[in-house]
Amino acid sequence: AQSVSQHNHHVILSEAASLELGCNYSYGGTVNLFWYVQYPGQHLQLLLKYFSGDPLVKGIKGFEAEFIKSKFSFNLRKPSVQWSDTAEYFCAVNGYDAGNMLTFGGGTRLMVKP
Amino acid sequence: ETGVTQSPTHLIKTRGQQVTLRCSSQSGHNTVSWYQQALGQGPQFIFQYYREEENGRGNFPPRFSGLQFPNYSSELNVNALELDDSALYLCASSLAGGRSTDTQYFGPGTRLTVL
Repeated sequence: AQSVSQHNHHVILSEAASLELGCNYSYGGTVNLFWYVQYPGQHLQLLLKYFSGDPLVKGIKGFEAEFIKSKFSFNLRKPSVQWSDTAEYFCAVNGYDAGNMLTFGGGTRLMVKP
Repeated sequence: ETGVTQSPTHLIKTRGQQVTLRCSSQSGHNTVSWYQQALGQGPQFIFQYYREEENGRGNFPPRFSGLQFPNYSSELNVNALELDDSALYLCASSLAGGRSTDTQYFGPGTRLTVL
């Protein structure tokens, strides 16, 4: 079975601060990894994904994430957040042998103060 | 390109009733997955449909059932509604099914309230 843990439930930052959201997964094989974002009143949108290759992946709006296989981690980073980044962020894993089924973490609610 | 659409947007039902939620997949996508997102939690996988057949199921009871139609649109049916079924129901479409994996694109969801 696959599982995802997001350690930070709520994060409050000031504009221009750096962001790192933790994500750890549990699965005994090859994985695909995703970060989705849910802005207030909007639907889940894909921020970035890792399928294979370079473990440092870049997504939209200046976000990036690094896959560290030895740590089963896929942390999300942004060097300088903006007020418009206020949203809920979800990490998700898809085990390669689990078909096209996503398992999500509990989410991290980010508030950026102007 | 048309994104994933869902209807209705909101729905209020009482315990014991039945409900049908609908989803139209993104243009060109042949696989539809359904998720339940309870308040304050991440989405949980209910099941997936590929080529009109159920292709994977999460830890949900049989009173959660679905259909996929030849145009790849889908329905989620829930019988004998319980209070804990109150949640946002999300539909996601993708190009891959079976044992393949692909990015899933989500619709806006249907907010179901069970009284």
